[in-house]
Amino acid sequence: EVQLLDSGGGLVQPGGSLRLSCTASGFTFSGDAMSWVRQAPGKGLEWVSTISGRGGSTQYADSVKGRFTISRDNSKSTLYLQMSSLRSEDAAVYYCAKLHLPDGYFDEWGQGTLVTVSS
Amino acid sequence: IVLTQSPGTLSLSPGERATLSCRASQSVSSTFLTWYQQKPGQAPRLLIYGAASRATGIPDRFSGSGSGTEFTLTISRLEPDDYAVYYCQQYGGLLWTFGQGTKVEIK
Repeated sequence: EVQLLDSGGGLVQPGGSLRLSCTASGFTFSGDAMSWVRQAPGKGLEWVSTISGRGGSTQYADSVKGRFTISRDNSKSTLYLQMSSLRSEDAAVYYCAKLHLPDGYFDEWGQGTLVTVSS
Repeated sequence: IVLTQSPGTLSLSPGERATLSCRASQSVSSTFLTWYQQKPGQAPRLLIYGAASRATGIPDRFSGSGSGTEFTLTISRLEPDDYAVYYCQQYGGLLWTFGQGTKVEIK
């Protein structure tokens, strides 16, 4: 059974930094691209970032480019999202998701971790 | 590519048919059009991929159709477990976008 466990969320001040983690099990982690998708309170889903299976290729939404960094440690089956220069509009539940390529859909999701940006 | 879902909210009784629309600002290959279901406090769940293929474990009362810029999710007969928010999503050019969602609520 595939499991994705998101963690690392919390309260951070505007301009601050936070690192999210997603620990995976139940599949060959290094064989799959992974993504982060976020959902602001009461709002819809927004794709944030994607990383290839080996970590050599990354993509970012314009809204986070230059501020967020996606990475992975395949030896630990863990996905990361380093977030810096956080803004109030970054407040959301962040989900890690397993990406099915080449069709580009998210077939497994973590339970989400809440990031609150406030002074 | 912008995805626009309609209606924003659909109020229907159990047993009724639900028809949800997803319109794309540019043509989308059917291969790259996906539907998800999300219930309050839960992560989204994959429902339909490739515009018309049901994901594992999805009941056959859910069906997807469409091509080009117009896609539809149909729930043939609503059951209590189906009341949720539904999102369409497309993939293209190494970018992923979601529609704003359609809420299906009990009438």
